[in-house]
Amino acid sequence: NAGVTQTPKFQVLKTGQSMTLQCAQDMNHNSMYWYRQDPGMGLRLIYYSASEGTTDKGEVPNGYNVSRLNKREFSLRLESAAPSQTSVYFCASSPDRYGYTFGSGTRLTVV
Amino acid sequence: SQQGEEDPQALSIQEGENATMNCSYKTSINNLQWYRQNSGRGLVHLILIRSNEREKHSGRLRVTLDTSKKSSSLLITASRAADTASYFCATAYGGATNKLIFGTGTLLAVQP
Repeated sequence: NAGVTQTPKFQVLKTGQSMTLQCAQDMNHNSMYWYRQDPGMGLRLIYYSASEGTTDKGEVPNGYNVSRLNKREFSLRLESAAPSQTSVYFCASSPDRYGYTFGSGTRLTVV
Repeated sequence: SQQGEEDPQALSIQEGENATMNCSYKTSINNLQWYRQNSGRGLVHLILIRSNEREKHSGRLRVTLDTSKKSSSLLITASRAADTASYFCATAYGGATNKLIFGTGTLLAVQP
């Protein structure tokens, strides 16, 4: 089925460890996004990519890096995980000025 | 933060009743969108209303937009138990990039 695929679905990290969250879409969308969702906070934009080869910071970029590897893939990297990064991470994609398609999320716990 | 706010935070109704959720936002927008999130799942796009539109319908959903008051409402008619979910409004800004700012959501519980 067409859509946005995120891996892994669950992850537990120790403080200071690094990891990369993977995201791929097969809808030929130009724009891709990474959000985090915390209880009572709604979704907050971490980074986005308006097109292949470009990335920009969102509302909460500190502690994260991203790579738009090609039009399909947009990865999010935590270089040195902290407990404050415990959250549910969502990747999304969209054509310009239309609704987003979200992945099913990665539930990350940093201990 | 430029987050919008939904009202109420939680809503409990009986099957067959209508549910109304409101959203207020702070900045000029390109469009406003509503999403549904079932527990433990990703968000699903429901409807988009552009800044030059005042009302839009999709099935049992009716969305209104008042840009002078920076507010929107989502009406779900004849609700069903399957409508139980969190509902988020999101405002699009930033030119062609279509970045979305999400509100904190309304948790809707439809009792059978």
